[in-house]
Amino acid sequence: DGGITQSPKYLFRKEGQNVTLSCEQNLNHDAMYWYRQDPGQGLRLIYYSQIVNDFQKGDIAEGYSVSREKKESFPLTVTSAQKNPTAFYLCASRGQGATEAFFGQGTRLTVV
Amino acid sequence: DAKTTQPPSMDCAEGRAANLPCNHSTISGNEYVYWYRQIHSQGPQYIIHGLKNNETNEMASLIITEDRKSSTLILPHATLRDTAVYYCIVRVAVGGTSYGKLTFGQGTILTVHP
Repeated sequence: DGGITQSPKYLFRKEGQNVTLSCEQNLNHDAMYWYRQDPGQGLRLIYYSQIVNDFQKGDIAEGYSVSREKKESFPLTVTSAQKNPTAFYLCASRGQGATEAFFGQGTRLTVV
Repeated sequence: DAKTTQPPSMDCAEGRAANLPCNHSTISGNEYVYWYRQIHSQGPQYIIHGLKNNETNEMASLIITEDRKSSTLILPHATLRDTAVYYCIVRVAVGGTSYGKLTFGQGTILTVHP
């Protein structure tokens, strides 16, 4: 089935450790996005990529890093520089034209 | 991208129509209006989008005012499963490699009551 997959669903890490969240899509979409969502809040854009080997900062990029080596994959690394990393992270992808974005089911990261 | 404004919360009785408003007074001529919804702890789900004309699909109807400065999402017969956060966003439909940001606001929490 075509879709966008995030893994793992739940992730626990110790404070000070870097952690990488996976996002894979088989929809042949060029654009991919990472969002952070805190309890009771909307989605805030972290990074986005419009094409392989290219990405741009969103509204809250500090403490995060990404790569886009393959069209299908857009991993997000939460670094130790992120002051408050515990959150729900969502990945999305989008194709050309007036098409909708498809979202993964999210990864809930808890840093202890 | 044009900014959108939505009420923070709304209630609706089960079986009645839910009408969710969105203001996008700075929308540009080439920007589409999209609606998504997010059920608790899941990824947002696409509902519908439109440019100028009203649109209808199996989930909802979208009414866009003639000046395009506001729109209304209509769930014709709301059920308890429609309880969710509804997001209205505006976005240019582009081709090539120019996709740009996809920015969400706070959305409207719709609660459907029995």
